[in-house]
Amino acid sequence: AQSVTQLGSHVSVSEGALVLLRCNYSSSVPPYLFWYVQYPNQGLQLLLKYTSAATLVKGINGFEAEFKKSETSFHLTKPSAHMSDAAEYFCAVRSNTGNQFYFGTGTSLTVIP
Amino acid sequence: KAGVTQTPRYLIKTRGQQVTLSCSPISGHRSVSWYQQTPGQGLQFLFEYFSETQRNKGNFPGRFSGRQFSNSRSEMNVSTLELGDSALYLCASSLVQGGQDTQYFGPGTRLTVL
Repeated sequence: AQSVTQLGSHVSVSEGALVLLRCNYSSSVPPYLFWYVQYPNQGLQLLLKYTSAATLVKGINGFEAEFKKSETSFHLTKPSAHMSDAAEYFCAVRSNTGNQFYFGTGTSLTVIP
Repeated sequence: KAGVTQTPRYLIKTRGQQVTLSCSPISGHRSVSWYQQTPGQGLQFLFEYFSETQRNKGNFPGRFSGRQFSNSRSEMNVSTLELGDSALYLCASSLVQGGQDTQYFGPGTRLTVL
């Protein structure tokens, strides 16, 4: 079975500091991995996705993630946090045998001015 | 293209009632998935419909049901509501083409059960 684990349910960074949100996956075959962001009272918005084309994936709003097979990780980073980045972030893996997605428990990002 | 739309956005019901939520996918998308989101449980998969057939199902009681119409629009129904059913219900659509499908989410329906 496929799953993702997000380490740290709450992360706080200062404005302008590096953002690092952690995600580890469990999959016996190369996975399809995603990062989504959710702002208060809204649905999930796709940030980026990994589909084996390149290990470093660039997404919207300056975010990027690197797929590391040896570490079974897909951590999300942004060089400089902005106040508008404060939100909930979800890592997800898509099943290889269907269209079912498995989401992590989410990481709430707080940006301190 | 218009995004995924969900109606209504907010709903208040009392225990024992039933409720129907609606989801219109992105034009051309044939798969619709439903999720329940609560602070304690996070995002939990309810079911997925593709071409009017339920293709995947999560671990929810039979009070939760759904259907999909020929135009890909989907509805989910919850009967005999319980307080614990209070949640944000999210719908996601995807094209289902090859192995690079992405789910696009609607804004959700906030259900409050009193």
